[in-house]
Amino acid sequence: RKEVEQDPGPFNVPEGATVAFNCTYSNSASQSFFWYRQDCRKEPKLLMSVYSSGNEDGRFTAQLNRASQYISLLIRDSKLSDSATYLCVVNIPDDYKLSFGAGTTVTVRA
Amino acid sequence: EAQVTQNPRYLITVTGKKLTVTCSQNMNHEYMSWYRQDPGLGLRQIYYSMNVEVTDKGDVPEGYKVSRKEKRNFPLILESPSPNQTSLYFCASSPGSGGYYNEQFFGPGTRLTVL
Repeated sequence: RKEVEQDPGPFNVPEGATVAFNCTYSNSASQSFFWYRQDCRKEPKLLMSVYSSGNEDGRFTAQLNRASQYISLLIRDSKLSDSATYLCVVNIPDDYKLSFGAGTTVTVRA
Repeated sequence: EAQVTQNPRYLITVTGKKLTVTCSQNMNHEYMSWYRQDPGLGLRQIYYSMNVEVTDKGDVPEGYKVSRKEKRNFPLILESPSPNQTSLYFCASSPGSGGYYNEQFFGPGTRLTVL
């Protein structure tokens, strides 16, 4: 079983729509969770960290569900510029490293 | 400007010809790491370094070497490249020695093709 799994998509949504997707992780002891954004094979960039209580940054909302071991990302009022691949990242306990999901591709159309 | 730089950005080489991909950061970060990205597999860690002279294997270290003689530099060495090392490589750095807790800053990537 992969440490971090994501639905690859693609999610094709119209401008202004809401899109949400999840990421599951296998190690219940993981403590750090992040969403990164990657544009067309460019470098990943941090979108947001995910906190236990859930957090929001503008149109983006991240949630953590420890019981079911998944994190989610919701994008409201989608913009064309939101088209990208979103990478779920989780720390590996007792190891000084992170595990990356393969990414969920979102395409926002006009 | 705070950044991670990698060179070269693109490289086509032949099997067995030693090569080095350089990585440098100007943010005084302690943690540095190398990843490779292949379609459908996500980023996989090759090696990481928690500080100068401290390096450790990631998930896919075979065929690679690294060194960390200075805080700012973390070169990736392929002693005898093979076609299965054709990939997109990213260097990243992070403040603090616990790179898994903090944001990682990535370089622009190096696209390597081994013929």
